[in-house]
Amino acid sequence: DAGVIQSPRHEVTEMGQEVTLRCKPISGHNSLFWYRQTMMRGLELLIYFNNNVPIDDSGMPEDRFSAKMPNASFSTLKIQPSEPRDSAVYFCASSLVYLPREQYFGPGTRLTVT
Amino acid sequence: AQTVTQSQPEMSVQEAETVTLSCTYDTSESDYYLFWYKQPPSRQMILVIRQEAYKQQNATENRFSVNFQKAAKSFSLKISDSQLGDAAMYFCAYRSAGGGTSYGKLTFGQGTILTVHP
Repeated sequence: DAGVIQSPRHEVTEMGQEVTLRCKPISGHNSLFWYRQTMMRGLELLIYFNNNVPIDDSGMPEDRFSAKMPNASFSTLKIQPSEPRDSAVYFCASSLVYLPREQYFGPGTRLTVT
Repeated sequence: AQTVTQSQPEMSVQEAETVTLSCTYDTSESDYYLFWYKQPPSRQMILVIRQEAYKQQNATENRFSVNFQKAAKSFSLKISDSQLGDAAMYFCAYRSAGGGTSYGKLTFGQGTILTVHP
């Protein structure tokens, strides 16, 4: 049974470039979450979707960040243009909307912006 | 807004011994869920245990158990018979059971690094 799949696992890019992170949730899960983890700020929720609809994007740091979920099995988080302060580990997690609603995390994408 | 506090940045334990990790939270809600997640060096976030606030009985999963004190807003994790593979960062997390924009969101504590000595 495949878990949450994220790609790429590592991304190194130069400041100003566009970065796209991808996530495939667990089949049957209808909630999807994007988190960012840094030493300074810990784990932060960026945005989450229920049934492909964005519910709360208040954690998105600024307009350079955007997320989409075109269907139940795929989501992207895009940063354009990227900046060095965006360097972090980005996690995608999925869960069922109804009980028990535990979130299952992907392996994360380590992003480095130079 | 809910907050979760883990006051122990680091803890250590001898293999086969017992260790308790602390977590407190602040909320005005009566119905919610609490979780402990483990993050080993691989970075993978692994769910360890879940507690529903409406249940008085403390959750247990094999060597992992919690001490849930709702009135005190405390949720500690006890690891018995510690193993080398338990070495990781442990996060306490809160999730509202209610509706609104907080629905489904996890609020994490700062984490506690657990070292297991052979």
